[in-house]
Amino acid sequence: GAGVSQSPSNKVTEKGKDVELRCDPISGHTALYWYRQSLGQGLEFLIYFQGNSAPDKSGLPSDRFSAERTGGSVSTLTIQRTQQEDSAVYLCASSPVRGGSSYEQYFGPGTRLTVT
Amino acid sequence: QQQVKQSPQSLIVQKGGISIINCAYENTAFDYFPWYQQFPGKGPALLIAIRPDVSEKKEGRFTISFNKSAKQFSLHIMDSQPGDSATYFCAASKKTGGGNKLTFGTGTQLKVEL
Repeated sequence: GAGVSQSPSNKVTEKGKDVELRCDPISGHTALYWYRQSLGQGLEFLIYFQGNSAPDKSGLPSDRFSAERTGGSVSTLTIQRTQQEDSAVYLCASSPVRGGSSYEQYFGPGTRLTVT
Repeated sequence: QQQVKQSPQSLIVQKGGISIINCAYENTAFDYFPWYQQFPGKGPALLIAIRPDVSEKKEGRFTISFNKSAKQFSLHIMDSQPGDSATYFCAASKKTGGGNKLTFGTGTQLKVEL
């Protein structure tokens, strides 16, 4: 079946502009994660959604970052007033949940964000 | 604070050889330890994972060895092939009641030469 999809695949933006990154998880996966992969920081957790529970935002690096998940499916990560240090690959992953626990995470191909 | 330390940073192995990548963790609350494989331009793909109640798990040519007392785990790739050339990440999470948020190691670039 279809995997996790992300759009756009590449985004170049000017410093100070806002950007929106989209994630379509695997159908039926109720858990959704955003991670960031950058040369200096490696792969780091940003935010986690599980069903109707309040999202775990503990990994968001600043209040310029926010995310929402509408209807328990598609998620959008928004970065306001982008800075050059926001340049990275933003990865989305989804996971089935069984017995209250999230299992294997399936990653999308990522969105490469470049802030000029 | 780097909670998962991975080594080596890069590794070159001859075809048919054994590739070994090591990770160490600090948080004793971690209860799920997956390994991911990533090719350039692609997202990480789950290879194999282990829970701390077993010391070894094998799937095909891939084996995880786990040492709970030392807080270390490793990936062994037997009969390494050029197609295995990729970046490998270890990770750890608190799966039960922790949302399974992954903490990743820094990655190992593996190159398998003919």
